[in-house]
Amino acid sequence: GENVEQHPSTLSVQEGDSAVIKCTYSDSASNYFPWYKQELGKGPQLIIDIRSNVGEKKDQRIAVTLNKTAKHFSLHITETQPEDSAVYFCASHSGGGADGLTFGKGTHLIIQP
Amino acid sequence: EAGVTQFPSHSVIEKGQTVTLRCDPISGHDNLYWYRRVMGKEIKFLLHFVKESKQDESGMPNNRFLAERTGGTYSTLKVQPAELEDSGVYFCASKIYSGNTIYFGEGSWLTVV
Repeated sequence: GENVEQHPSTLSVQEGDSAVIKCTYSDSASNYFPWYKQELGKGPQLIIDIRSNVGEKKDQRIAVTLNKTAKHFSLHITETQPEDSAVYFCASHSGGGADGLTFGKGTHLIIQP
Repeated sequence: EAGVTQFPSHSVIEKGQTVTLRCDPISGHDNLYWYRRVMGKEIKFLLHFVKESKQDESGMPNNRFLAERTGGTYSTLKVQPAELEDSGVYFCASKIYSGNTIYFGEGSWLTVV
């Protein structure tokens, strides 16, 4: 089955700097890659997603890049703000096999004031 | 519009007891998913309903877990009898039939003592 690796597990950056979180996946049939943000005591909230026919997608300060050949995708947050502090999860959805998303283990992003 | 709602938000039960978690998906969402995150690990897929039918239950850990979605609206996830390793957060999520975005609830935090 699909396996998603996510790094780093914890990331601390100064407010205003950029943050990058990286994920790799194993199933070449995977075709959909969402990123979720989970704040304390809340459920995961979709912040951006990308399909396998696109290499990059941007939404204001957030961007996601996908390299299908290398089977990795990354989340980029620019001009970080205190409210960006949360746990971020990458996920993949395989075109075949199980219907559900396969998640990475999460990255705890800490924005230092 | 109401999001995915889950009940109870927190539950503490003794080993051997039974707990039933409830999920109300977003109105009109045929797809309903259950996921679980145990301490320090990734969010893992449990099962997927399309309306009242189980589409994929490959993630269900064992036969102590029973999920139902009678009538294709809300769903319940029963754990009977609960074991210590069942402690974690149980997330419900839903998706419209033709869409990609999966919306998560805030989770039901289960502690088995």
